[in-house]
Amino acid sequence: EMQLVESGGGLVQPGGSLRLSCAASGFTFSSYSMNWVRQAPGKGLEWLSYISSSSDTIFYADSVKGRFTISRDNAKNSLYLQMNSLRAEDTAVYYCARDAGITVAGIFYWFLDLWGRGTLVTVSS
Amino acid sequence: DIQMTQSPSSLSASVGDRVTITCRASRTISSSLNWYQQKPGKAPKLLIYAASSLQSGVPSRFSGSGSGAVFTLTITSLQPEDFATYYCQQCYSSPGRTFGQGTKVEI
Repeated sequence: EMQLVESGGGLVQPGGSLRLSCAASGFTFSSYSMNWVRQAPGKGLEWLSYISSSSDTIFYADSVKGRFTISRDNAKNSLYLQMNSLRAEDTAVYYCARDAGITVAGIFYWFLDLWGRGTLVTVSS
Repeated sequence: DIQMTQSPSSLSASVGDRVTITCRASRTISSSLNWYQQKPGKAPKLLIYAASSLQSGVPSRFSGSGSGAVFTLTITSLQPEDFATYYCQQCYSSPGRTFGQGTKVEI
C-alpha cells in the first residue's frame, strides 16, 4: 500500500525551530517530486514548498521563503521540512503530498495524488 | 501570482440533490485545474485533475468542467459521504499549487 506518514510536529515557542519528516512507502519515492502543504485551524489549504525527485528544483511560497527549507533523502525514502523563525501564524497541520502528472492531448498536468495524514505544529509561548 | 476564488463558500444541500461549485482563476489557466475533497480530520483526496478527468476510484457522480478561467465541480445525486469541504487548485503556473479557499457542503 502506498503511504506517506508525517512526523515531528509539536509545540514550539515563537522564534523556535522544528524539523518535520515524511516517510514514504509502497512506491518508488525517488521517482516523484514532493510537496508540503499546510492547513491552519479552521482554514483552507496552503501550498508551501516543492522539491523535484533529484532535489535539483526547489520552490517555496512567499509566506515561508527564507524561513523554511525542504529537502529529501531518496536512500531513506524520506522528505523533510526544516522550519526556522516560527511564528504563531505557522500553527497548522502540515501535510506532505506526492506530485504526480499525466499528459493529456500533448499537455502535461500536475496534481497531488497521495497525501499523508498530517502532523500538527503549534507555535505558542 | 494566480489567485483562485471559489463560490459559494458554503452551501446547504440534501441527499439526492445536484450540487455545483464554481472556481474562478485570476487569469487563464487552460485546463490546469484540480479538485479535492476533504473531510474533517482527514487529508485531502484528489477527485478531478486536468479540469475534467476523474481520478481512479472516484464515483462517477463527480464531474468537472471548464477551461480558461472558470471551472465547475458538479455532484449529481449527493450522497451522505459527500458532505465535506471541496477545494480547487491550479497547476498552471509551476510550481505554485495555489488552492481556492474551499467550499463546505453541509446538510
